[in-house]
Amino acid sequence: GAVVSQHPSWVICKSGTSVKIECRSLDFQATTMFWYRQFPKQSLMLMATSNEGSKATYEQGVEKDKFLINHASLTLSTLTVTSAHPEDSSFYICSADPLGGADGYTFGSGTRLTVV
Amino acid sequence: QKEVEQDPGPLSVPEGAIVSLNCTYSNSAFQYFMWYRQYSRKGPELLMYTYSSGNKEDGRFTAQVDKSSKYISLFIRDSQPSDSATYLCAMNNAGGTSYGKLTFGQGTILTVHP
Repeated sequence: GAVVSQHPSWVICKSGTSVKIECRSLDFQATTMFWYRQFPKQSLMLMATSNEGSKATYEQGVEKDKFLINHASLTLSTLTVTSAHPEDSSFYICSADPLGGADGYTFGSGTRLTVV
Repeated sequence: QKEVEQDPGPLSVPEGAIVSLNCTYSNSAFQYFMWYRQYSRKGPELLMYTYSSGNKEDGRFTAQVDKSSKYISLFIRDSQPSDSATYLCAMNNAGGTSYGKLTFGQGTILTVHP
C-alpha cells in the first residue's frame, strides 16, 4: 500500500530557532500534500495544502510566514516552523492522496515538536 | 456547532465485544467518509473509506453511512486488545477547492481489556 514517510519523528528545539519537518511519498507521486496539527487529546486540524511547484494554500488563522512550506518535488514536501516558541509545541502530521481521492488519504507517522 | 460531532468517550469494552463508534455531521456537502485509527504518538491509519449510503465491510470492520440522517458509524466485531486506540471519523467534500480538506471528529478513545 501507499506509504508516507515523515521525518523526524520527534524533535526538541530551543525557543527562537527553526525546525524543518520532511514528508515523503515513498511509492507514489504526490502533487498535493497536506499538513495537519494536533494538540494533545484533540483532533487534527488542517494547516495548509502543499502544492508541487507552486505556493502552499494556508487555512484561515495559520501564519504563512511562520509555517513555511516547500513542495519542490513530486515526492517531498517540507514544513519549516520558523522562530519557534513553546506554543508551537504540537504533533505535526502530513498526508497525501495516492489515488486522486479514490481511496482515502494516507498519513505520515507524525512529528512531535517540543519547543523549550 | 462543530461540523462533525464525535463522542470522545472513553469507551471501555471486554475482549470479543462488538464496538459501535458514531459521528454526526451538519454539512450536507460532505460526500466522502473515512474512519482512521490512531495509536498514541502515531499518525492516523486509514481503516475504511466510503462515499455512498449503506454498509461497507472489511474483515472485522463495518462502516455504515446514512446521508439522510447525516450519521456515520463504525462497527468492530470480535474486538481485540490491539484495537485499543483513538478512532477518528473524517469527511470531505466532493472536490474542487475542498479537495483534501478533511474535517475530523474529535476522536473516540477505545480500550479493549482482556
